[in-house]
Amino acid sequence: ETGVTQTPRHLVMGMTNKKSLKCEQHLGHNAMYWYKQSAKKPLELMFVYNFKEQTENNSVPSRFSPECPNSSHLFLHLHTLQPEDSALYLCASSRELAGYNEQFFGPGTRLTVL
Amino acid sequence: QQQVKQSPQSLIVQKGGISIINCAYENTAFDYFPWYQQFPGKGPALLIAIRPDVSEKKEGRFTISFNKSAKQFSLHIMDSQPGDSATYFCAASVGGATNKLIFGTGTLLAVQP
Repeated sequence: ETGVTQTPRHLVMGMTNKKSLKCEQHLGHNAMYWYKQSAKKPLELMFVYNFKEQTENNSVPSRFSPECPNSSHLFLHLHTLQPEDSALYLCASSRELAGYNEQFFGPGTRLTVL
Repeated sequence: QQQVKQSPQSLIVQKGGISIINCAYENTAFDYFPWYQQFPGKGPALLIAIRPDVSEKKEGRFTISFNKSAKQFSLHIMDSQPGDSATYFCAASVGGATNKLIFGTGTLLAVQP
């Protein structure tokens, strides 16, 4: 595997389900990110991790819970979601947070909440 | 003031034509302006980026034009090809901070053969 991988690629869940999204980066990067992508909206940064430590939570509802066990893996735990949470969830990584480093994105998980 | 306004929302161009996507910003502290390209089923990928010390940057058929006084920057795709059909996002940040990138709303480009 190369780059940034995400699983599953598609997820359909009910409002009472609990599920997790997984992201893995094979680039040796130190920073990882979760974004939400909705149609006709800018990408919304949700969480930022740097060296496994969360550095940003952009007012994300508590029904989204991130976990970063090491610099290569990032999870997004989902529970009691709402239909408006349906979107493409993108994971990204970069070598560092600052210094004009390129962000590398995974292909995303298409989430549908029924 | 943190917004980046992108237009048009969608664009149809004939093969061989020039595609132009525009972005405008308000925050004069922005000093890094990347463009991302996203194909269906894929995540965005960095296409080209510019800093405000130059007015233009060219990489192959892709050119960024930057107008600091107007607080605008644009992406030009010369000799557009059907393989360029994708969604394009402009973005901006201060100090190149990857955790502070502000994205535009995207432009869906369709290049017709």
